[in-house]
Amino acid sequence: DSGVTQTPKHLITATGQRVTLRCSPRSGDLSVYWYQQSLDQGLQFLIQYYNGEERAKGNILERFSAQQFPDLHSELNLSSLELGDSALYFCASSRSGGAPDTQYFGPGTRLTVL
Amino acid sequence: GQNIDQPTEMTATEGAIVQINCTYQTSGFNGLFWYQQHAGEAPTFLSYNVLDGLEEKGRFSSFLSRSKGYSYLLLKELQMKDSASYLCAVRDRGATNKLIFGTGTLLAVQP
Repeated sequence: DSGVTQTPKHLITATGQRVTLRCSPRSGDLSVYWYQQSLDQGLQFLIQYYNGEERAKGNILERFSAQQFPDLHSELNLSSLELGDSALYFCASSRSGGAPDTQYFGPGTRLTVL
Repeated sequence: GQNIDQPTEMTATEGAIVQINCTYQTSGFNGLFWYQQHAGEAPTFLSYNVLDGLEEKGRFSSFLSRSKGYSYLLLKELQMKDSASYLCAVRDRGATNKLIFGTGTLLAVQP
């Protein structure tokens, strides 16, 4: 158990819908990262937050957005869902945002878009 | 551009040694991580290299050559539970801790 929690574990929804994935980092970690993992691709970095502010952005679609709240938990919002958005979404956390800290991953949310 | 290459699949025998290679070509480099991932589960941290050379941690060792853009993960005394995907990830240079992952190597350990 990494100490990073994610909810829900599974999510099934329809195309065009909007969902919110939630992540709580390990105690004391200030940075949160979101990754997408689909069958035909490896882990793809989406976005990083550090202490409430956006720190880095990857290939995140405009339909996706994220935020980190004052209590440091983070939410990833996915809207206008398409079949291709079906994937495992992982959240990771680390102590700081810039040092080469180890990222610890949560158990993931499996999103299925029908 | 960013390119990280690993073999897609490998097979090895219980009790043996296996080496999983990773080559990278990235616009920046500030360290390389290895993670283990069992199917449907979270990646778990195995090792980190930022300087050239070998880092040993129990049955697992990782090597880095920055001039060659090359790393390997060495697993000794293989156990059935080592059957998993092994992910190589490069930390991007700069103020972030962004990781760029390879597609992973699926290792099957056979009795």
